[in-house]
Amino acid sequence: KQEVTQIPAALSVPEGENLVLNCSFTDSAIYNLQWFRQDPGKGLTSLLLIQSSQREQTSGRLNASLDKSSGRSTLYIAASQPGDSATYLCAVSLFPYKLSFGAGTTVTVRA
Amino acid sequence: GAGVSQSPSNKVTEKGKDVELRCDPISGHTALYWYRQSLGQGLEFLIYFQGNSAPDKSGLPSDRFSAERTGGSVSTLTIQRTQQEDSAVYLCASSLATTGVSNNSPLHFGNGTRLTVT
Repeated sequence: KQEVTQIPAALSVPEGENLVLNCSFTDSAIYNLQWFRQDPGKGLTSLLLIQSSQREQTSGRLNASLDKSSGRSTLYIAASQPGDSATYLCAVSLFPYKLSFGAGTTVTVRA
Repeated sequence: GAGVSQSPSNKVTEKGKDVELRCDPISGHTALYWYRQSLGQGLEFLIYFQGNSAPDKSGLPSDRFSAERTGGSVSTLTIQRTQQEDSAVYLCASSLATTGVSNNSPLHFGNGTRLTVT
C-alpha cells in the first residue's frame, strides 16, 4: 500500500519568505504526483502535476520537483504572500486515476 | 455549471439512519471520483467511475457504502445505517481525460459534503 507523508504538518512564515514543503512516498512505481491547495471549507485546487518521467514542473511562483528513486517531492513557493495561506496536499498515483494523499501541510503566511 | 457541485454542503444525521450525498460533475467530464477526508487524515479514495465502464469500488470501506452514476453524469453516494466513524467530509471530483489525470485534464473538486453522525 502506498504511504504518503508530508512534513512539516504546519508552517508559519513572514510574508516574503520562500516556502519549502516536503512529500515522501513509499512506492516509487508511481504514475504521477500532484500538489493541491485546500482552503478552509473548500475543495481541492490542482496546482501542479508531475508525470513519472518528469523531474519538475513550474507555474508562476510555484515549482515542484520529483525524485522517484528516493520517493520524494518538494514544493517551493517563492516570495510568499498572505494569500498563500492554505493547506497543501501531495498526492501520488500508482494507477492513472487512483490517488493516495498525504495529510497535508498547513501554511500560514504572516503579513 | 462552472464547477463540480455537491449537495448538501452539510448533513447531520442520527446513528443508524441512511444518507444520500449528491455530486454534479462538470459537464462533459467522463471521470468521476469520490474521496473521504477525515479530521487530521489524508483523503481516502472511495470509488471511481469512467464513462460506461464498471466502476472501481475497491475503496469503499464496507458494504454499507454504495454509489451510482446515472446517465454518465450525476452521482449519488449512499451510506446505510450510518455510524459515528462515518463522520467526515465527502469530496467528489471529476476530470475530462478518459485515461486518467494529466496536465491537460486535472482533477476538479467540489466543496464537499460535511457529514456528522450523532
